[in-house]
Amino acid sequence: AQKITQTQPGMFVQEKEAVTLDCTYDTSDQSYGLFWYKQPSSGEMIFLIYQGSYDEQNATEGRYSLNFQKARKSANLVISASQLGDSAMYFCAMRDAYSSASKIIFGSGTRLSIRP
Amino acid sequence: DAGVTQSPTHLIKTRGQHVTLRCSPISGHKSVSWYQQVLGQGPQFIFQYYEKEERGRGNFPDRFSARQFPNYSSELNVNALLLGDSALYLCASSFSTGGLEQETQYFGPGTRLLVL
Repeated sequence: AQKITQTQPGMFVQEKEAVTLDCTYDTSDQSYGLFWYKQPSSGEMIFLIYQGSYDEQNATEGRYSLNFQKARKSANLVISASQLGDSAMYFCAMRDAYSSASKIIFGSGTRLSIRP
Repeated sequence: DAGVTQSPTHLIKTRGQHVTLRCSPISGHKSVSWYQQVLGQGPQFIFQYYEKEERGRGNFPDRFSARQFPNYSSELNVNALLLGDSALYLCASSFSTGGLEQETQYFGPGTRLLVL
């Protein structure tokens, strides 16, 4: 069974510093996709970044990058130059390529707080 | 472009009642998925619909049902509400069910349901 583990329940980071949010996953599938979502207190899940299991390069989207280490089954999110607006819950998620359904498995999340 | 919309934003019901939640996907998206997010946890997959057909169901009782309409909007119905059904219900849309990157799901703001 697929599983996502986020071991950091909460993190405090100084504004403008870089931050790494940890994510490890467990799957027996060869083809899968990894996602990171941001959830502000308003509740909406905001898509940040996607990494396919066969992608050789780490995904990047603006200040977000995904440090993908396939052998270690880790997919850490790196936020460069953190901003106050980055304070939110962050969820790592995955889905496999073989399921007919778009079932995404989410981790338990990390609450990131940016200090001014 | 309009994102995923959900209605109502908040809802208070009593045990035993029935509730209907509504979702309109992003224009052009044909797939809608429903998730339940209990406080302090990551979202849990409930259903996915594509082209008006159920493509997947999570581990939820038969009290939960859903349907998708010809315009790709969707309803989630929950019968015989229990206190434990209190949660944020998130709707997500995606373009299709084929290919992992095309499966990126975009979430709506959610409906907060409180069962008393």
